Amino acid sequence: SAVISQKPSRDICQRGTSLTIQCQVDSQVTMMFWYRQQPGQSLTLIATANQGSEATYESGFVIDKFPISRPNLTFSTLTVSNMSPEDSSIYLCSVEGREDYGYTFGSGTRLTVV
Amino acid sequence: KQEVTQIPAALSVPEGENLVLNCSFTDSAIYNLQWFRQDPGKGLTSLLLIQSSQREQTSGRLNASLDKSSGRSTLYIAASQPGDSATYLCAAPGEGNQFYFGTGTSLTVIP
Repeated sequence: SAVISQKPSRDICQRGTSLTIQCQVDSQVTMMFWYRQQPGQSLTLIATANQGSEATYESGFVIDKFPISRPNLTFSTLTVSNMSPEDSSIYLCSVEGREDYGYTFGSGTRLTVV
Repeated sequence: KQEVTQIPAALSVPEGENLVLNCSFTDSAIYNLQWFRQDPGKGLTSLLLIQSSQREQTSGRLNASLDKSSGRSTLYIAASQPGDSATYLCAAPGEGNQFYFGTGTSLTVIP
C-alpha cells in the first residue's frame, strides 16, 4: 500500500493566522482526499484533490477557507486560513490504494487554535 | 447518503477476552468496507479491507465479516491485549465514491 508522509504532526496557532499542511505520497496517485476530525467526532471529508484541476469541496467547506494545492501526482497541501478556535481538529490526508489495500491515511496533523 | 453507525460507542474489557465490534451501513450497494484503528491524536491505520464479493477477512487475531444484504459488518478481536486499546472505525463508500466513517468504538483493554 502507499506510504504517506504528513507534516506537521501538530501545531498550536494564533487565531487569525493560517497553517499549511503537507502530504507526500511515495507513489503516484490520481486522487488525494483531505479530512477533518473534530474533537470526539468521526472523520468528515473536506475536499478531493485531483492533479491539474480545482479541488472538489464538500458541502460546508469552501476554497477561501481551505485552499488546496495539487502540483503533481505525489504531493498536496491543505491550508487552514484565518483560523479560529473552532478549527481546532485533526486534519488527515488520504489516498485510495490498489484494490487490495483500500484507503491509506497520513499520520494526521493535530491543530490547536488559541 | 450513506450513513455508518457503530455500536457500542465505548467498550472496556479485561485482557484475554474475545470481543465483537459492530458496524451498520444504510446503502448496501458498496464495493468494499474497511476497518481502521486510531490511537489518540493520531492518524488511521488500516486493519482490514473486505471486498463486496467476500464474506470475511482475517489478519492475525482480527476477523472482519461483511453481510451486504443486512447492511452489517463485524470486527472480531480474539484474546484481547492492552495494546489493542484504541478507537476502531469502519468506513463504507457512498455517493461520489466518498468514504463515510462511523463514529467509532473506543476500546479499552484492562491488564
